[in-house]
Amino acid sequence: QLQLQESGPGLVKPSETLSLTCTVSGGSISSYIYYWGWIRQPPGKGLEWIGSIYYSGSTYYNPSLKSRVTISVDTSKNQFSLKLSSVTAADTAVYYCARHTPYSGSFSWGQGTLVTVSS
Amino acid sequence: QTVVTQEPSFSVSPGGTVTLTCALSSGSVSTSHNPSWYQQTPGQAPRTLIYSTNTRSSGVPDRFSGSILGSKGALTITGAQADDESDYYCVLYMGSGLWVFGGGTKLTVL
Repeated sequence: QLQLQESGPGLVKPSETLSLTCTVSGGSISSYIYYWGWIRQPPGKGLEWIGSIYYSGSTYYNPSLKSRVTISVDTSKNQFSLKLSSVTAADTAVYYCARHTPYSGSFSWGQGTLVTVSS
Repeated sequence: QTVVTQEPSFSVSPGGTVTLTCALSSGSVSTSHNPSWYQQTPGQAPRTLIYSTNTRSSGVPDRFSGSILGSKGALTITGAQADDESDYYCVLYMGSGLWVFGGGTKLTVL
């Protein structure tokens, strides 16, 4: 059974870089079928797609965040990661990792992790 | 910038039918956008209900259905139950690997 688990600091200072890792179990991140993505949800607000990566390293980013986002994959550890630079309070959110097929919208979600940006 | 719009809130009576919609700021929603729908209760991760317009995710009751209605993606709940009271989000595939979520609809069952 597929499981995705987010991990990383729950508190990040303004202007610093937010770093999260998603560990995948019950499935291979090297599958040619799936993409691996990050979605966030500010407290009390809606979902925002951040970006996705294919196991080969091809990346796709939300244009509004593209200048600050890097998503990478480590096939040896069955993990993928998110880095978001120059964070502000507006980046405070629950961050979800997810597996999805390229076009269908069939997302399998992690449980999410809250990241707060504050000094 | 592409904006996907959903009704902010909706109310349905127990046993009733409700249709939530998902619209594009410019143009019509079509099957090529693969509209997909997620249910979220407070403190929980979203749950995938419908993907690729009208395919139910595993374990989702058949009273949830997806379609294209006119120029919008649509989620219809038939025979609403109390535990359907949740937030519902749609997402559209915009091509080139890009996805856009709608703002969500808060559904009340009363």
